[in-house]
Amino acid sequence: SAVISQKPSRDICQRGTSLTIQCQVDSQVTMMFWYRQQPGQSLTLIATANQGSEATYESGFVIDKFPISRPNLTFSTLTVSNMSPEDSSIYLCSVEDWDRSNYGYTFGSGTRLTVV
Amino acid sequence: DQQVKQNSPSLSVQEGRISILNCDYTNSMFDYFLWYKKYPAEGPTFLISISSIKDKNEDGRFTVFLNKSAKHLSLHIVPSQPGDSAVYFCAATINTDKLIFGTGTRLQVFP
Repeated sequence: SAVISQKPSRDICQRGTSLTIQCQVDSQVTMMFWYRQQPGQSLTLIATANQGSEATYESGFVIDKFPISRPNLTFSTLTVSNMSPEDSSIYLCSVEDWDRSNYGYTFGSGTRLTVV
Repeated sequence: DQQVKQNSPSLSVQEGRISILNCDYTNSMFDYFLWYKKYPAEGPTFLISISSIKDKNEDGRFTVFLNKSAKHLSLHIVPSQPGDSAVYFCAATINTDKLIFGTGTRLQVFP
């Protein structure tokens, strides 16, 4: 199955600043997905990133707040812009994958963001 | 609108016994269902999935059952081990487009 390197693993940021999260996959993938898990909540999809096109954002998420880059088939970044304490969450990237005979999605280890 | 629901926020099971985690969904268009385990400081770990054309899939200690008429799926872990203690999420997808996650169930396996 795919291996995803995500960094940073955690950060504490001042409100009003921006943080860029990187995900590197060890194989070429068509789509990469970015999720957010707010404290005590489930995982929510932010956007889907295809190489060579604009990312597709879910309802409630906008490009100005969460710009995404997808320069090639193995790499993507998510930026959390103009941060406020409400942005404190775990951010995760994900790709489609096969694990043995099971269809699934593989996730990065996550970025724990705290905004103060 | 919560399309995937896990109505039990927590479950406590003795080591060696069976753990049964439940999940309900509302959208009949879902064609794949997945289970994930998540520890606090890590990303979700994929456990097992099932296609909507099947009613059972097994992988080692993990078995997933799907009841389409009831829009219900369950994950059985046998035997349960202390290392299984984590939060379990079910998720569903349509045409492998994106995952929609349930709210999670915290499983605690005690000795």
